[in-house]
Amino acid sequence: EIVLTQSPGTLSLSPGERATLSCRASQSVSSTYLAWVQQKLGQAPRLLIYGASSRATGIPDRFSGSGSGTDFTLTISRLESEDFAVYYCQHYGTSWTFGQGTKVEIK
Amino acid sequence: EVQLVESGGGLVQPGGSRRLSCAASGFTFRSYWMVWVRQVPGNGLVWVSRINGDGSITAYADSVKGRFTISRDNAKNSLYLEMNSLRDEDTALYYCARVISYGIWGYFDYWGQGTLVTVSS
Repeated sequence: EIVLTQSPGTLSLSPGERATLSCRASQSVSSTYLAWVQQKLGQAPRLLIYGASSRATGIPDRFSGSGSGTDFTLTISRLESEDFAVYYCQHYGTSWTFGQGTKVEIK
Repeated sequence: EVQLVESGGGLVQPGGSRRLSCAASGFTFRSYWMVWVRQVPGNGLVWVSRINGDGSITAYADSVKGRFTISRDNAKNSLYLEMNSLRDEDTALYYCARVISYGIWGYFDYWGQGTLVTVSS
């Protein structure tokens, strides 16, 4: 089973700053099968990115995904107040596994 | 607008049973694989079970195999999770989600709000 490890555990930033979140897989995975999901406190998870870099419907272009092999990145170019949340990466190629999450909090 | 609304959660004793439902609307329900995913409050997301569009193919995480049963009623646009022999460690928020398929897997493009199951005596 592929294990996804996210870093950092918590990212403390101010609105307007750039956020860079990392997701590392225990073995090489196809970028076709890597997604990012946002979860705000008390809310349902929301798909942001699929196929490592494709934005889901309605997701603003300040969110971008990149990476290949074992290293993937979610970048939020300029944080807005509604972006403070927990972010999970997900692999969906040979099973469904999630990383443990990165919390983006207001500094 | 795609909507998924879970119900059926609550307090149940260890060894007990519970049936969760997920009402779907805004899309052709029978055309999609569906899944249940759970989340222990404050923790991460874990896939529980999946079912294909006509209900003929199902799969389960090892932690629930033999105890949980997923099913669907396409005439009612509803997904179900029958949970038996419940354990303390089954306490979680249970989400249903729609799958955009890539082979037998795929990503989850819409999620419900979740329903909380608490297993405790």
